[in-house]
Amino acid sequence: RKEVEQDPGPFNVPEGATVAFNCTYSNSASQSFFWYRQDCRKEPKLLMSVYSSGNEDGRFTAQLNRASQYISLLIRDSKLSDSATYLCVVNNLQAGTALIFGKGTTLSVSS
Amino acid sequence: NAGVTQTPKFQVLKTGQSMTLQCAQDMNHNSMYWYRQDPGMGLRLIYYSASEGTTDKGEVPNGYNVSRLNKREFSLRLESAAPSQTSVYFCASSGTINTEAFFGQGTRLTVV
Repeated sequence: RKEVEQDPGPFNVPEGATVAFNCTYSNSASQSFFWYRQDCRKEPKLLMSVYSSGNEDGRFTAQLNRASQYISLLIRDSKLSDSATYLCVVNNLQAGTALIFGKGTTLSVSS
Repeated sequence: NAGVTQTPKFQVLKTGQSMTLQCAQDMNHNSMYWYRQDPGMGLRLIYYSASEGTTDKGEVPNGYNVSRLNKREFSLRLESAAPSQTSVYFCASSGTINTEAFFGQGTRLTVV
C-alpha cells in the first residue's frame, strides 16, 4: 500500500458545484497533514493545514479522520480559478521521513 | 520577500555530465528538501535536511548527493547525469520537519 493515496480524477464540475476529495495514508503514527494546490508547471503551494478538529478557510473545509486514516478536502461554490491539481501531504517524523505527497487529484471547473 | 530561490530554472545536460542545483531560503527555516516530479509519479522526496548539519535520504536518492552548506542553502548534485534524471526538481523549506513547506519555482532538467 502506498503511503499516501488519492483518486487521480479528473473531477470535472460546473461552476458553483461542491466537490470533495479524499486521501488515505498508511502510517497511523503520521502527525501532520496538509493540502497543497499545484497549477500546471508551477510549484506546489500550501492551501491549508488539516487539524484534528477540522478547519475551514472560506469555501474550503478540511477534515481528518485518524481512526480511518484519511483526510478530506471539500470545496464549495467552485470557481473557474479552482481548476488545479490538489495534493494531499502527510508527515511522519517518527518513521524517519519527511513530507510525503500523494500523486494529486485534478479538478477542472467549467462555466 | 524572495522565499525559496532555485537556480537554474532550466538546464540541458548531456549524459555523463555533472551539475549542481542551488537552493536558498530567506525564511530562517531549519528544514530543507529536494523533490523530483515526473508525469504520473507525483512528487518524490530525494533528500532532506531536518536541520543544519544533517542530511537524510528520501524515497529516490540514488544518483544524487546533497550538501547543507549553511542554514540558508541546500544544494543537490548530479555526479553523472542519466536520461532517467530528466525531471522537474523542486526545493522546499519548512520551519521544522513537521510543519508546512514552501517551494521554489522549480528547475526543469533535461538529460540527453
